[in-house]
Order: sequence, then structure tokens, then C-alpha cells
Amino acid sequence: AQKITQTQPGMFVQEKEAVTLDCTYDTSDPSYGLFWYKQPSSGEMIFLIYQGSYDQQNATEGRYSLNFQKARKSANLVISASQLGDSAMYFCAMRFHRTGGFKTIFGAGTRLFVKA
Amino acid sequence: SAVISQKPSRDICQRGTSLTIQCQVDSQVTMMFWYRQQPGQSLTLIATANQGSEATYESGFVIDKFPISRPNLTFSTLTVSNMSPEDSSIYLCSAGLGQGSGELFFGEGSRLTVL
Repeated sequence: AQKITQTQPGMFVQEKEAVTLDCTYDTSDPSYGLFWYKQPSSGEMIFLIYQGSYDQQNATEGRYSLNFQKARKSANLVISASQLGDSAMYFCAMRFHRTGGFKTIFGAGTRLFVKA
Repeated sequence: SAVISQKPSRDICQRGTSLTIQCQVDSQVTMMFWYRQQPGQSLTLIATANQGSEATYESGFVIDKFPISRPNLTFSTLTVSNMSPEDSSIYLCSAGLGQGSGELFFGEGSRLTVL
């Protein structure tokens, strides 16, 4: 069965430093997609970055990069040069195919606190 | 991209009543989903709203409790039936375009409190 695991309930980082949020996944499907979403205290879900299972290179989007280690089944999010506005809940997610379409499941989340 | 509007944004309901949440997307989308997020928790998929046919429910969720409609490619409703305090949660509508990276777009959520 497909599963997403985030083992860090909370993380602290100093402003302007980099931070890595961990995510591991489990699936036997060869084709899947991995995502990171940010949820600030306002509650909205903001898409950050995507990595396809067949992508050879790690995805990057501005200050966000995804460290994709397929053999280890990990998809860690790296945020460089942290800003106070990065304080939020971060969810790792996996999309996989099933009959009739696809499904996306989410990890438990990591709450990031950026310190001034 | 897709912009998703949900209403109501919040409501306080009495035990035993039912509430319907509406979800409107500003463009035609391939897939629509309903998630539940209990306070401080992750998102749990309730069901996939299928256009013109019965929704596909996840384990632990049943049609009698969470009837879903999707009459067209831009609109869906979720009803929370015979509510109990355990149904107090945020209900999120989401949509996928079925192309590109396939990320989900989310509504702002409907926060329900059941007394």
C-alpha cells in the first residue's frame, strides 16, 4: 500500500539559514508524483514543488529544492535562505494512479518555525 | 491553474443536522476531491467526485454519511449528514487538471463546528 511518512513534527531554523524537511514514501508503482505543499496559519494549501518518479534531476523552484533519492524512497524538501514568512505547516504528498484516475495522499506534516 | 471557491467558509451546526458544502472551480477540471483536515492534523481523502456518476469513497467513508454530487466539470457538493461533534473539522475541496505536474488546487476550506 502507498504511504507517506514525515517524522519531524516540528523544526526550528534561524532566519537566512537552510533547512531540510524529511519525507519518505512507499509504493510499488513505477509511476508516481511527489509534491510538497505549504499551509500557513491562514489555512490555505499552497503548492511548492513537484518531482516525477521518472525525473532524473532534482526539482527546484526558487528557494525550494527537492532532494529526490529514489532508491531510498525519500523526497526531502530543502528551503534555502529561510524567511520569517516560511513559518508554516509543510506537507509531503504522493500522487499515484488507480482505476479511473489518480489519488493523492498526504504525510502527517512538519511545522516549521523560522526564528529572527 | 484553477481557482476554487467554497461555501460556507465556516458554520456552527447542531448535532443531528446535515450541511452541504459547495465547491465551484473557475475552469473545467478533470478530477475533483474532498478532503477532511481535523485540527492540527493532516489531510485525509474522503472521496473522489466523479462527474456524472457516483463518487469513489475511501475506506472509512460512506455515501450515506458523506453524499457527494458532481453535476458538471466545475462544480461539486459534499453533504455531511446527521452530524456529530466528531465531524467537527475543516473540509477541503480540491481539483486536479490532469496535466502538467498534476498538483492539486485547493479551496479555502469549510470549517464546521458541531455542537
